[in-house]
Amino acid sequence: RKEVEQDPGPFNVPEGATVAFNCTYSNSASQSFFWYRQDCRKEPKLLMSVYSSGNEDGRFTAQLNRASQYISLLIRDSKLSDSATYLCVVNPQAGTALIFGKGTTLSVSS
Amino acid sequence: NAGVTQTPKFQVLKTGQSMTLQCAQDMNHEYMSWYRQDPGMGLRLIHYSVGAGITDQGEVPNGYNVSRSTTEDFPLRLLSAAPSQTSVYFCASSKDAKDIQYFGAGTRLSVL
Repeated sequence: RKEVEQDPGPFNVPEGATVAFNCTYSNSASQSFFWYRQDCRKEPKLLMSVYSSGNEDGRFTAQLNRASQYISLLIRDSKLSDSATYLCVVNPQAGTALIFGKGTTLSVSS
Repeated sequence: NAGVTQTPKFQVLKTGQSMTLQCAQDMNHEYMSWYRQDPGMGLRLIHYSVGAGITDQGEVPNGYNVSRSTTEDFPLRLLSAAPSQTSVYFCASSKDAKDIQYFGAGTRLSVL
């Protein structure tokens, strides 16, 4: 099983739709979790950290399920500007590097 | 706020040439890393450093060298460029290995 797995998509949705991405991780001792966003030919940028209790930032909601070892990202009321690749990122254990998933591509159309 | 600065932005090399990709950060971060990104492969860790004077190998270190003589700088050296090293290279930094990483704008390298 790969350390961090994501459905590559692409997810093609109309404006205003709600879309959810899941990501699974293999190391049950993983300590920190993030979602990054990467626009075409640009560097990845932090979208949000993922906390055990779940967290929300505007239209974005992140959830962590430690028992099933997955994290999710929910985007409500999709905008054209949400079109990007979303990277799931996990820190497997203390002192080791972050592990990046290969990303899920979202395309929002009008 | 400069953040993480990478130079050059674009580079074309011939097979066998050597070069150094520069990375500098002004956030006093201890942890720095280099990734390459290829279509369908995601970000792959090349080398990383947990502080000045300390470096270690990542997932794909062959053909690359690094050094960390200062906290701010983490250059990546290609010893003898090969077409397989054609890629986009990103440098990143963070307070420590598990913290949020901040990326530079990337270097797009083509090896002919």
